[in-house]
Amino acid sequence: GQNIDQPTEMTATEGAIVQINCTYQTSGFNGLFWYQQHAGEAPTFLSYNVLDGLEEKGRFSSFLSRSKGYSYLLLKELQMKDSASYLCAAQFVTPLVFGKGTRLSVIA
Amino acid sequence: GAVVSQHPSWVICKSGTSVKIECRSLDFQATTMFWYRQFPKQSLMLMATSNEGSKATYEQGVEKDKFLINHASLTLSTLTVTSAHPEDSSFYICSARDQDTDGYTFGSGTRLTVV
Repeated sequence: GQNIDQPTEMTATEGAIVQINCTYQTSGFNGLFWYQQHAGEAPTFLSYNVLDGLEEKGRFSSFLSRSKGYSYLLLKELQMKDSASYLCAAQFVTPLVFGKGTRLSVIA
Repeated sequence: GAVVSQHPSWVICKSGTSVKIECRSLDFQATTMFWYRQFPKQSLMLMATSNEGSKATYEQGVEKDKFLINHASLTLSTLTVTSAHPEDSSFYICSARDQDTDGYTFGSGTRLTVV
């Protein structure tokens, strides 16, 4: 199966910037999604990258390097409400393959 | 935007009984729906892919006779957990692919507790 790797946990300070990395196997890769998931809730869509480069959307940006099998999610001006799990999901054929998620804790 | 309605949000059932979970795409046609299971503090694990009008494709290790999937229309897919046991207690989430946008829309999830 496809392996999607991302750090298990991260902690950052309110107002700071945090980068969450994700690596995946490049064979058969179509695109990469980032989702935010609060405890007990379904994931919510953050970004979708198909082409190399950085896509900025407000406080959140996502980067993709197809050749390196690498992506990151950048969160700026962190707020307490950003404390959640961030799931990296790669699209190979049709279903998404999820990483295990990174639990981000934002502290004051 | 695309919305997927999932019901029930939570359910408690006795061991040995069956539970049906429904997912409906409200404003788009979902020819393909995906069913995921998520245990506490773990990621979403794909259980099966259902295509409208045909049999579902199950992932390795998922019992097709236990987790019955029906996708009889372009807007409705159901997952029935048959003869549920406590180890089936989990968070079940459906996802539908919108062919027009190439996006994936998730249902709100169903927390199943088997006692």
